[in-house]
Parts: sequence; C-alpha cells; structure tokens
Amino acid sequence: DAKTTQPPSMDCAEGRAANLPCNHSTISGNEYVYWYRQIHSQGPQYIIHGLKNNETNEMASLIITEDRKSSTLILPHATLRDTAVYYCTAGMDSSYKLIFGSGTRLLVRP
Amino acid sequence: GAVVSQHPSWVICKSGTSVKIECRSLDFQATTMFWYRQFPKQSLMLMATSNEGSKATYEQGVEKDKFLINHASLTLSTLTVTSAHPEDSSFYICSATGQQETQYFGPGTRLLVL
Repeated sequence: DAKTTQPPSMDCAEGRAANLPCNHSTISGNEYVYWYRQIHSQGPQYIIHGLKNNETNEMASLIITEDRKSSTLILPHATLRDTAVYYCTAGMDSSYKLIFGSGTRLLVRP
Repeated sequence: GAVVSQHPSWVICKSGTSVKIECRSLDFQATTMFWYRQFPKQSLMLMATSNEGSKATYEQGVEKDKFLINHASLTLSTLTVTSAHPEDSSFYICSATGQQETQYFGPGTRLLVL
C-alpha cells in the first residue's frame, strides 16, 4: 500500500486557484492516485483519480509528475463550499482497499 | 449515478446492546464494499473489506466477532456492532465499488453508546 503525505492545512482566497500537493513516493506502477474530500460530518466525496496522465473533470484537475511520486489537485476557482479536508490516497483499482492519511484541511477565505 | 446510502444516519443505544448499520448501493451493483470508522478530528480507518457472498476480510486489530459484516447481495452490506460499549461510539462510513474505477462513499452513521 502506497503511503501518502500531505500538508496538514492550507488556505486560499475565494475565487483563486487552490493547489493541494500530495507525496506518494512509494506508489507502484499499477496504482491509481485518488482524491477525495470530506466536509464536516459527511462521508467522503470522490473528486478525481488518475494513473499516469493528467486528468480534468468538472470539479478539479489532477497533475501527476512524470515519475509518479507526487501529484497536485487543483481547484481552479475555489469557493467557500470547497472548505473541507482533502485526502490523497492510492490503490490498484476500485476493489482494492484505500488507506487514508491525515489529509489537508483547506480553508477558503472570503 | 453511483449513489451509496446508509441507514440509520445516527443511532443512540445503551451499553451492551447490538446495533445494525446498513449500506446500500442505489444505482449500481457493488461487488465489493468497505467499512471504515472515524473518530473526531481523525482520518478514516479501514475496518474491513467485504465481497458479495464471501466472508469479510478484517484489518489488523479489528475484532471480527464484535463487528459482524454481512454482504448478502450486490446492493446491501450490513455492519453489526455487537455488545456495544461507549468506546465504540464513532462515525461509521461504508464505501462501495462495482464496475467503476473508483469507490463511492455513503453519508456515514453516527453511533453513540451510552
């Protein structure tokens, strides 16, 4: 199981881009990088995942370095509703268990 | 799509009683379901992995006789906390996966044992 490391907290201004880094230097070649977020007292919400290529969806963009040892989640225009704990994790596929680290607590300031 | 529900959303029980929590995949068939628990200000801790029709695989340190998991159909898994004690009070969350590449999580069940 790949271990992931994230900064404990970050903040950004509303309307600006939020760039959340994640270190996963022990990730294996067939493990996906997954990002989830958890708003207080709710279940985690899926954001995005990727294997090697950068990915983009309606919520965010995921940039994975060429050596796959780190990635960055980008929320292009953060809103107050994006305040949450963001988790980066890794797994071989959706049937594989995901181990969650401490995550990054993102605070979006008005 | 990919909606996972949990019932109940919160439960209060007396010490020594058993509590059952249901996890359902509403719009897909879940071949695998996972159970997590989360204490205040902590991350999610995986308790067990459950595949439809077979016995659950428990993580190290999780008592299988205390946390009974049943995954009898492709849309339902249940977690029963037997003889609950105050230290079992926590936020229990399930996730489910089918043909998708990712897991989807339920809204969680808050358990308070008095």
